[in-house]
Amino acid sequence: SQTIHQWPATLVQPVGSPLSLECTVEGTSNPNLYWYRQAAGRGLQLLFYSVGIGQISSEVPQNLSASRPQDRQFILSSKKLLLSDSGFYLCAWSVSDRAHQPQHFGDGTRLSIL
Amino acid sequence: GENVEQHPSTLSVQEGDSAVIKCTYSDSASNYFPWYKQELGKRPQLIIDIRSNVGEKKDQRIAVTLNKTAKHFSLHITETQPEDSAVYFCAAAGGGGSYIPTFGRGTSLIVHP
Repeated sequence: SQTIHQWPATLVQPVGSPLSLECTVEGTSNPNLYWYRQAAGRGLQLLFYSVGIGQISSEVPQNLSASRPQDRQFILSSKKLLLSDSGFYLCAWSVSDRAHQPQHFGDGTRLSIL
Repeated sequence: GENVEQHPSTLSVQEGDSAVIKCTYSDSASNYFPWYKQELGKRPQLIIDIRSNVGEKKDQRIAVTLNKTAKHFSLHITETQPEDSAVYFCAAAGGGGSYIPTFGRGTSLIVHP
């Protein structure tokens, strides 16, 4: 069966520090991958999605970036964190090349910026 | 692009009552409508989904209805239990050939014992 791993679970970072969140998927190949941010416990904001290695689409311009160095690995990064970057970050995957497929979410990373 | 409106934002019911959450979408080409449940501090999890060629789907105490003409779909939970308390998200996908879902803003369901 497929599983998705996301780490760390919680992170406290000072303003201006760098960020790296990692997500990996097991049990499937060539998945679509997504990064979402959820602020104030509600609303899923799509940040990035990827349909293949090295292919990243950005939905929201900001100081975050994403990379997909391997088929089942998705990384969210920032060079300098802002206070507004605080939130709950969720990685998700879905089956590619087929319609009507749900997204499967990781356990999330709760990021607090001080 | 697609726009999904979800109502109400908060729903409070007594245990055993029914709960209904409604969503409308704007893109008539959308053809896949999943519902997710997110418990406090946890990941959103798919609870039921429906495709545009079906008008209703049931899974035990949960049902979803779809009205393509009116472009709205609803989640129905019967005999609610305290463990149903969570935030519920609707989504619509498939419009414009996009597989990426557009989510509603969520409904916080509170079931009082």
